[in-house]
Amino acid sequence: KNQVEQSPQSLIILEGKNCTLQCNYTVSPFSNLRWYKQDTGRGPVSLTIMTFSENTKSNGRYTATLDADTKQSSLHITASQLSDSASYICVVSNNAGNMLTFGGGTRLMVKP
Amino acid sequence: DVKVTQSSRYLVKRTGEKVFLECVQDMDHENMFWYRQDPGLGLRLIYFSYDVKMKEKGDIPEGYSVSREKKERFSLILESASTNQTSMYLCASTPPGGYNEQFFGPGTRLTVL
Repeated sequence: KNQVEQSPQSLIILEGKNCTLQCNYTVSPFSNLRWYKQDTGRGPVSLTIMTFSENTKSNGRYTATLDADTKQSSLHITASQLSDSASYICVVSNNAGNMLTFGGGTRLMVKP
Repeated sequence: DVKVTQSSRYLVKRTGEKVFLECVQDMDHENMFWYRQDPGLGLRLIYFSYDVKMKEKGDIPEGYSVSREKKERFSLILESASTNQTSMYLCASTPPGGYNEQFFGPGTRLTVL
């Protein structure tokens, strides 16, 4: 069964600190992995996408990594800001991109 | 700019009522999706559509139906709402194939009393 597990479920950090969110998946065959950010009361918005051959992808202060051998991905947030408070969802696609398996998300709270 | 809109942000209905959730996208996308999002369970696919009048069941279609009469509009119908359908409902759309991003609407928080 295709599964995407995220950890931790929730995280509280101080503004300015770095943090790393984890995503482990068992989806096969693998096509691509996306990280989404979902602000409270909003729909998810894509941050990064990585295919099998990509190890790392950056979007500003967000850096995603992918290890396709161990089926793990991480999202690193540098110098956190209050606006980073949100849920972060890892989504893995197993074919051309239309069938997705969603992780349960990590809820991040950045405190001043 | 990409836009997916949903008819209501918040909705309160009574058990047994028929509920319509509307989703409209202005990007001429072929594929549209309905998800529900519950704490600890993540997003779960209810139904999706890859063309007008075409629909496919997702992972949890029971208790729901959909309608896609026009390309830009995808409706989710709860024939007889039940309390366990209280949830956040998210609509998304994407062009066909490849690694295309799913664009989500703002969500409808439905409460069934």
